[in-house]
Amino acid sequence: KNEVEQSPQNLTAQEGEFITINCSYSVGISALHWLQQHPGGGIVSLFMLSSGKKKHGRLIATINIQEKHSSLHITASHPRDSAVYICAVRYKKNTGNQFYFGTGTSLTVIP
Amino acid sequence: EAQVTQNPRYLITVTGKKLTVTCSQNMNHEYMSWYRQDPGLGLRQIYYSMNVEVTDKGDVPEGYKVSRKEKRNFPLILESPSPNQTSLYFCASSSLTGNTEAFFGQGTRLTVV
Repeated sequence: KNEVEQSPQNLTAQEGEFITINCSYSVGISALHWLQQHPGGGIVSLFMLSSGKKKHGRLIATINIQEKHSSLHITASHPRDSAVYICAVRYKKNTGNQFYFGTGTSLTVIP
Repeated sequence: EAQVTQNPRYLITVTGKKLTVTCSQNMNHEYMSWYRQDPGLGLRQIYYSMNVEVTDKGDVPEGYKVSRKEKRNFPLILESPSPNQTSLYFCASSSLTGNTEAFFGQGTRLTVV
């Protein structure tokens, strides 16, 4: 079974700060997803990574396959970034793709 | 608009009364999946489907059934709900080729009393 650990669990930042959320997993995966869940409950996919780095606006995601580690960075954080960020790993089985999730990082950005 | 639609959004039911939560996607995705989200445990995968008539168990399949008779629909069936199935449920879909980004439904908050 793939264990997924996220850190920190909770994070409070001042508007404008650079934020990093980390995700580590225990076995080989086929891909890693970063998800965002807003207080209303809806989940949005931010990134899907199998190697390297991706950037979308103020968000950057990186993955190191050898070290089994991924980071999500938010530059120039804003109160609207306040949400729960969830790391999900995709593991390829004979019968298909199985997902395991971290328990999430709750981010609050204060104006 | 590309979307995954779950119904109902909220449901309160009694122990033992069979229920179905529907999930439909309009993106012609091969892969569909159900998850439950509980405080302190995060999201856990219940069942997934790689294509029509192809389904498999996730991490927590006990007490649930699914079917995939058509590509767009993937209903979650609770034959005899129990209070420990009170949870927030999400359906998601993705393509298996090209851009495999996941799309999530709005969630179904189920309470079993």
